[in-house]
Amino acid sequence: GAVVSQHPSWVICKSGTSVKIECRSLDFQATTMFWYRQFPKQSLMLMATSNEGSKATYEQGVEKDKFLINHASLTLSTLTVTSAHPEDSSFYICSARRSGGGELFFGEGSRLTVL
Amino acid sequence: AQKVTQAQTEISVVEKEDVTLDCVYETRDTTYYLFWYKQPPSGELVFLIRRNSFDEQNEISGRYSWNFQKSTSSFNFTITASQVVDSAVYFCALSEARSSNTGKLIFGQGTTLQVKP
Repeated sequence: GAVVSQHPSWVICKSGTSVKIECRSLDFQATTMFWYRQFPKQSLMLMATSNEGSKATYEQGVEKDKFLINHASLTLSTLTVTSAHPEDSSFYICSARRSGGGELFFGEGSRLTVL
Repeated sequence: AQKVTQAQTEISVVEKEDVTLDCVYETRDTTYYLFWYKQPPSGELVFLIRRNSFDEQNEISGRYSWNFQKSTSSFNFTITASQVVDSAVYFCALSEARSSNTGKLIFGQGTTLQVKP
């Protein structure tokens, strides 16, 4: 079964609203989680590294005020797309690795459609 | 700079044919990891294999096999006797040593494989 779970799996929202996506590690603790974005028929691009108890590290070109990341516990990271616009429509995927190393697990992904 | 190139955008084969998906990578690190993932239409990423840079042995897992050639910086993936269920997008990815403990992956562009009955 899934060891990293994302919620919601899909969401449709109106332009200008904010949307929160959760990423949970189900049976392990993860001090670090990763958020990727995938446009239709394109590859996955790393957006940011989510660090438990500290600020996220954003990749170049990713607006941190647009994509708010919070990693409040060892099993939960959230990505909030603020004031969403149609160009934010995408597939967002998180990944997590057990604290101390080990296999990397990916969530099922969350498909965001902004109308 | 790190880079992963999957030159084949789309491949279409008939069931039972063998098919090879190419992956070429660039990295300055001597220690790194290479991955293959499968992404079916449902969207989730399915882990297929991880190989570290010090292990050049080819690996076989059922109908899947991987050929790692450091001399050409390639990590190709072959599906033998393809099946319709193999239809998916396949991603090759690289993780360098300095980020291997944190899981930052650099993905190739992906190859869409269509297996026709």
